[in-house]
Amino acid sequence: NAGVTQTPKFQVLKTGQSMTLQCAQDMNHNSMYWYRQDPGMGLRLIYYSASEGTTDKGEVPNGYNVSRLNKREFSLRLESAAPSQTSVYFCASTLAGGGTDTQYFGPGTRLTVL
Amino acid sequence: SQKIEQNSEALNIQEGKTATLTCNYTNYSPAYLQWYRQDPGRGPVFLLLIRENEKEKRKERLKVTFDTTLKQSLFHITASQPADSATYLCALYTGGFKTIFGAGTRLFVKA
Repeated sequence: NAGVTQTPKFQVLKTGQSMTLQCAQDMNHNSMYWYRQDPGMGLRLIYYSASEGTTDKGEVPNGYNVSRLNKREFSLRLESAAPSQTSVYFCASTLAGGGTDTQYFGPGTRLTVL
Repeated sequence: SQKIEQNSEALNIQEGKTATLTCNYTNYSPAYLQWYRQDPGRGPVFLLLIRENEKEKRKERLKVTFDTTLKQSLFHITASQPADSATYLCALYTGGFKTIFGAGTRLFVKA
């Protein structure tokens, strides 16, 4: 079991460029999440997918789009990158979504926007 | 809105001592509170969950307390080891599919 995998590990973009961050989980989890982590701040939820076929906004969705491709995969797209989107991005998954569910995180993608 | 405060200053302790990390929150008390460990360059890893009706939870050398009156959770690592050095995140379930995370406290355990 690989758990949650993310690609790429590192990425440098110029302002205005677009890119897609990929996430996949092999634990047969129903729910998946995208967070960003900035220095001195907690993880902030960008978007989540409660189940295959559904997506919802989190705390900081502006500038991002997501696709739940199937039960395993959940991608995050930056259409026109801005320096404010420089961050570390984590994908996570849970079996369901209640408060007792453990979140399993991927290793993260370090994104720098110049 | 719900906010979490964790001590932003790093905690330095000697091997063998007990480390105590604090998580304070505002507004309503969550039904569940979790603690995660994060190593540099890696994603967070779940450690413990405590429910609002539980005062204390233990797992090996780890102990978590939850005081809904003080709006505070304490995370203890007894007999700490250098391998315990990491950042520890407090996380509060806010309903539905949403959990908010604190910024974390870095712990350094010196041999």
